[in-house]
Amino acid sequence: DVKVTQSSRYLVKRTGEKVFLECVQDMDHENMFWYRQDPGLGLRLIYFSYDVKMKEKGDIPEGYSVSREKKERFSLILESASTNQTSMYLCASSLDREGEKLFFGSGTQLSVL
Amino acid sequence: DQQVKQNSPSLSVQEGRISILNCDYTNSMFDYFLWYKKYPAEGPTFLISISSIKDKNEDGRFTVFLNKSAKHLSLHIVPSQPGDSAVYFCAASVGGFKTIFGAGTRLFVKA
Repeated sequence: DVKVTQSSRYLVKRTGEKVFLECVQDMDHENMFWYRQDPGLGLRLIYFSYDVKMKEKGDIPEGYSVSREKKERFSLILESASTNQTSMYLCASSLDREGEKLFFGSGTQLSVL
Repeated sequence: DQQVKQNSPSLSVQEGRISILNCDYTNSMFDYFLWYKKYPAEGPTFLISISSIKDKNEDGRFTVFLNKSAKHLSLHIVPSQPGDSAVYFCAASVGGFKTIFGAGTRLFVKA
C-alpha cells in the first residue's frame, strides 16, 4: 500500500523559530510537493521537486525553503516562523507521468504563536 | 489570481439524489483535470480524472464532465451516499507536473 508519511501531526512553534517539516514516501516517486491548506483558499503550492536536489518555486514560496537530499524525503523549512504561517501543511508525491495523481500525507497542523 | 475556481463553498443533498459539484478554470493550457476528496484529519485522496482530449469520464457512481469551450468541469455523484460527505477539491495541471487546486466544496449528504 502506497504511503506518504509526515513526521508530525501537530506542531506548536514560537515566532522567529526555525521549523522543519519532514515528509517521506515509499513509492519511489520522482515528484514531491508541499502545499498549505487554508479555509477558503484551498490548497496552495509552496514548492515542488522533480528530482533529488532539484526544486522549483510554487505559487507562495516566500518565507519557505526546501531540501531534497534523497529521493524519498522532501523537507519544508520555515526559516523564521511567523503567525501568518499557521496552517495545515500537506506533502504529496507522484510519478513523473502526464496526468498522474498525487498521493498525500495526512498533514501537519502548524500553529505559530 | 485563482486559475481554478470552485464558487460554491458548500452543497447539501439528500441521500440517493444526484450531487453536482462545479469548477471553472482560466488557463487554457491545462491538459489534465482531477477531483480529490478530503475527510477531516486526513490528506486528500484522488477520486477521478479527465484528460483535456475527452469530455466525459465515468467510474462507478462518479462522472466528470469537461466543457473546454466554457472552461468548466463538473463532478456528478449518483446516487449520493452519507459517506460521500467530505470536501471535494477540483485540480488542474499542465503535463501533470504542477497541480493547481480550487478552494474546495464541502458536500453534505443527508440521510
